[in-house]
Amino acid sequence: DIQLTQSPSFLSASVGDRVTITCRASQDLGRSLTWYQQKPGKAPKVLIYAASTLDSGVPSRFSGSESGTEFTLIISSLQPEDFATYYCQQFKSVPLTFGGGTKVEFK
Amino acid sequence: EVQLVESGGGLVQPGGSLRVSCALSGFTLSDHHMDWVRQAPGKGLEWVGRSRNKAYTYSADYAASVKGRFTISRDDSKNSLFLQMNSLKTEDTAVYYCARTSVQNGQRHDYWGPGTLVIVTS
Repeated sequence: DIQLTQSPSFLSASVGDRVTITCRASQDLGRSLTWYQQKPGKAPKVLIYAASTLDSGVPSRFSGSESGTEFTLIISSLQPEDFATYYCQQFKSVPLTFGGGTKVEFK
Repeated sequence: EVQLVESGGGLVQPGGSLRVSCALSGFTLSDHHMDWVRQAPGKGLEWVGRSRNKAYTYSADYAASVKGRFTISRDDSKNSLFLQMNSLKTEDTAVYYCARTSVQNGQRHDYWGPGTLVIVTS
């Protein structure tokens, strides 16, 4: 099974900060990685798929990149509505797996 | 408009069974892979299993934690997806989400239901 190690698990930040979240895969994924945002009591929402493609309607302050088996989600300028938990998920092979999540909290 | 709505969650004893459903609208079910994802209280997301689309003859795959106990089925004519859960354990307690998978230009679960809570307790 493909393991995804997401870091950090928690992150304290302020509005306007640049935030970087990393997801490291245990094997090559190609570009088959998706990022989600989840708010309390709600289903996850797609932000980025295929490592770097911004989903429709997602603000351009979100971006994704890939370097080998390391994937990065960047929020260029954190907004109040961005305080949430972020997950990566690999679609390279079943069983599909998620990273452990990164909770972005208000500093 | 694409919509997914789960139902059928509730309280069940360890060793018991439960079937949760997902009512779908706004798209052709047979065209899409459909997945179940769960989230235990206060924990992260866990993929449960997948029912592939008609082109893949509706084949299914499951997480090791539920294989042999859970079965995914679908009724394309009724736009419904099902998750039959047998031999339930306390660790199966979670919110269960159904999710549509889009494969165009890269896979993602592009639509999710609001989830249904399953509590396994004696």
